[in-house]
Amino acid sequence: QKEVEQNSGPLSVPEGAIASLNCTYSDRGSQSFFWYRQYSGKSPELIMSIYSNGDKEDGRFTAQLNKASQYVSLLIRDSQPSDSATYLCAVAGGTSYGKLTFGQGTILTVHP
Amino acid sequence: EAGVVQSPRYKIIEKKQPVAFWCNPISGHNTLYWYRQNLGQGPELLIRYENEEAVDDSQLPKDRFSAERLKGVDSTLKIQPAELGDSAVYLCASSLDYRDWQETQYFGPGTRLLVL
Repeated sequence: QKEVEQNSGPLSVPEGAIASLNCTYSDRGSQSFFWYRQYSGKSPELIMSIYSNGDKEDGRFTAQLNKASQYVSLLIRDSQPSDSATYLCAVAGGTSYGKLTFGQGTILTVHP
Repeated sequence: EAGVVQSPRYKIIEKKQPVAFWCNPISGHNTLYWYRQNLGQGPELLIRYENEEAVDDSQLPKDRFSAERLKGVDSTLKIQPAELGDSAVYLCASSLDYRDWQETQYFGPGTRLLVL
């Protein structure tokens, strides 16, 4: 089992729709959860971080964390073509103390 | 504030040749990371420095890879000799203090390596 797994892509949604990205992790000791966005040929850019169970909202982005289910998700409301990118889920803490463990990424395409 | 700087941005070499990558972290960031990202995968940590000390190099292939962070600022990652499987993007990241588990890591633009 991979340490961090993301829903397989690619994911395609129409402009204005909600994009839902999912991630599960295996280490119950994990404490920090991050979503990075990576445009093609560019470096990862942090868009959301979450540390406690529940929802965290930032503009059109909402991160959701359920530690009991070892599940973290990212919702993008009113998706725009500029949101088209690879989204990387990353986990820190537990056995990943001091480092980020990334999932394989989910490619999102928002079509006009 | 300047971000993480890396050079070169692209490198094409033949197998068995040596190659080196350079990274300058964000000013004041004590922790520096080198990641490798294969095509279609997430980044994987190679080595982490706290100031000039390598505190986690368990994933670094030590037979051919080496790294240093002299004076606890910029860092160099070297591969000698390079193999075809080393083709990847090498990312450098930095953070203030890795012991803060909420600490954000900031990534540089990466070096794209192609080994022929």
